[in-house]
Amino acid sequence: QSVLTQPPSASGTPGQRVTISCSGSSSNIGRKAVSWYQQLPGTAPKLLIYNNNQRPSGVPDRFSGSKSGTSASLAISGLQSEDESDYYCSTWDDSLNGQVFGGGTKLTVL
Amino acid sequence: EVQLVESGGGLVKPGGSLRLSCAASGFAFSGYSMNWVRQAPGKGLQWVSSITSDSFAKYYTDSVKGRFSISRDNAKNSLYLQMNSLRAEDTAVYYCASEVISNSALDFWGPGTLVTVSS
Repeated sequence: QSVLTQPPSASGTPGQRVTISCSGSSSNIGRKAVSWYQQLPGTAPKLLIYNNNQRPSGVPDRFSGSKSGTSASLAISGLQSEDESDYYCSTWDDSLNGQVFGGGTKLTVL
Repeated sequence: EVQLVESGGGLVKPGGSLRLSCAASGFAFSGYSMNWVRQAPGKGLQWVSSITSDSFAKYYTDSVKGRFSISRDNAKNSLYLQMNSLRAEDTAVYYCASEVISNSALDFWGPGTLVTVSS
């Protein structure tokens, strides 16, 4: 049971916009910045979004993040086949005194 | 170019010990917090432990407290994870990850090292 709740799966067709949600609580998302990671099969995770909505250098602007209250979202616009991957949200939890991850969302590009 | 390379994984019996290492290069290692994150086969990511740049603070997920110990050697640009009293449920790929770009944002990751706990 993950501290952060994500839908296990999401899907879209090429060119569509897809959003992935991440629900937490006042001890984590409610007071801390959220990061998002992309993990392609057999590879290490890659940072996509940090500080709720900032993109590291090299991440396409098709990827965007937002946060409201105790929830966060990752949006992918102009969906491409190479976006098919697992996506994880994460933040620090003040009650647990540790980093927490969502259970992950498997994105399928139909 | 930032590089993180883990080593030390392998097959160990339940109750045994392993020491993982992570060699860092391409950034000012001594200035940033570092983390260990694991992923059991077919499962999601689980944060294991983190350590501040000066080793002043160390944090652990509940399931490894008292069994795992994180440390670093800034002179050698290296991060370590001493794992004792290993259990089958510790079987996973272990990644080291840095926090350079922002607090609690894990921006660079190594390729991981597999730890298998089995008799």
